[in-house]
Amino acid sequence: DAKTTQPTSMDCAEGRAANLPCNHSTISGNEYVYWYRQIHSQGPQYIIHGLKNNETNEMASLIITEDRKSSTLILPHATLRDTAVYYCIVRNDGGSQGNLIFGKGTKLSVKP
Amino acid sequence: GAVVSQHPSWVICKSGTSVKIECRSLDFQATTMFWYRQFPKQSLMLMATSNEGSKATYEQGVEKDKFLINHASLTLSTLTVTSAHPEDSSFYICSASWSSGNDEQFFGPGTRLTVL
Repeated sequence: DAKTTQPTSMDCAEGRAANLPCNHSTISGNEYVYWYRQIHSQGPQYIIHGLKNNETNEMASLIITEDRKSSTLILPHATLRDTAVYYCIVRNDGGSQGNLIFGKGTKLSVKP
Repeated sequence: GAVVSQHPSWVICKSGTSVKIECRSLDFQATTMFWYRQFPKQSLMLMATSNEGSKATYEQGVEKDKFLINHASLTLSTLTVTSAHPEDSSFYICSASWSSGNDEQFFGPGTRLTVL
């Protein structure tokens, strides 16, 4: 079973920031938080990952709480092409425990 | 970089026939490849993990004799759905990693299989 809890769906206005929350209250010390997204009928796309520090790249920012029990993915200026299902995954970067286990994700709809 | 392709992108076949799906890493050597299945409105489910030159490791509930996986080179893995039935209709997605699974997985675009 997935170790994360995400809202089923969210809406966001085009041009505004999209903040996608994720709860991972049972995360252990050596587990990373990964975010992927899947646009309809395509393969998943890696977005970002982090351990405990906040991370930023050209796609998004990842804010992880100090206790690491939750995180938020931020798309600073959402566009219509960001409409997708966003998956928050907790992953142990080691051996078979490093497999990605996908939950149901959050369906983000960016509206004009 | 890190591009993974799949072929075909979609396939329709008759019940009882076998279908082969290819997964290629185009610009890197993939030590490990993964095969996922995704039914409509559901999430991705890992089917099996394969390391180049070794037998694949199947997840619980996945029939290894029905879903044949061959990872003969560092850039190619194939999934053959044998004696396909309508319930095998699904979106099959592969991913590739250049290590034993500890590093980033790069996903292919998926293959839509429809069994009539």
